[in-house]
Amino acid sequence: QVQLQQPGAELVKPGASVKLSCKASGYTFTNYWMHWVKQRPGQGLEWIGEINPYNGRTNYNEKFKNKATLTVDKSSSTAYMQLSSLTSADSAVYYCARFYYALDYWGQGTSVTVSS
Amino acid sequence: DIVMTQSPAILSVTPGDRVSLSCRASQSIGDYLHWYQQKSHESPRLLIKYTSQSISGIPSRFSGSGSGSDFTLSINSVDPEDVGVYYCQNGHSFPRTFGGGTKLEIK
Repeated sequence: QVQLQQPGAELVKPGASVKLSCKASGYTFTNYWMHWVKQRPGQGLEWIGEINPYNGRTNYNEKFKNKATLTVDKSSSTAYMQLSSLTSADSAVYYCARFYYALDYWGQGTSVTVSS
Repeated sequence: DIVMTQSPAILSVTPGDRVSLSCRASQSIGDYLHWYQQKSHESPRLLIKYTSQSISGIPSRFSGSGSGSDFTLSINSVDPEDVGVYYCQNGHSFPRTFGGGTKLEIK
């Protein structure tokens, strides 16, 4: 069965960076784009961007172009999102989701808390 | 960016009601509209893709309709387990924007 495994939580200091992981299993990793979505506490969903694991091609929401960097490691079927220069506005849950015509499978999300 | 506007923000219903949730796009997106359900403390779940295409494992009481810029998610006979927030998403152009959500409550 398709699974996307994400760590539950990360605590990071303001100004630092963090690299979130999303390990895929149960399907051919390189055949499906991977998307990333942000959700602040009590708020709606915000689309960050997508990556093609086959060739590394990316598309970003302009809002996140200087904040998020999407990469993959095909050898471990893992997608990554690095967030830089973190502030309190980056405290949120970040989901990875597989794209097959729509976002058909979602990870459990990683809760990122930015605090000193 | 395409702005997705959902209404109402909150919908309070009685079990067994038939309900309609609205999603409007700021410009035409054809049928490139997807619906998701998010229950409390869970990840979102795909309900409907491309306006009206059903998803395996989703109860048949959920259906979608519309085209262009006006879309509707209908729930035929609401069940208490349907409580949660419903989001529409633009699947037509970048960025793939979401609506602000409709919160479904049970009276």
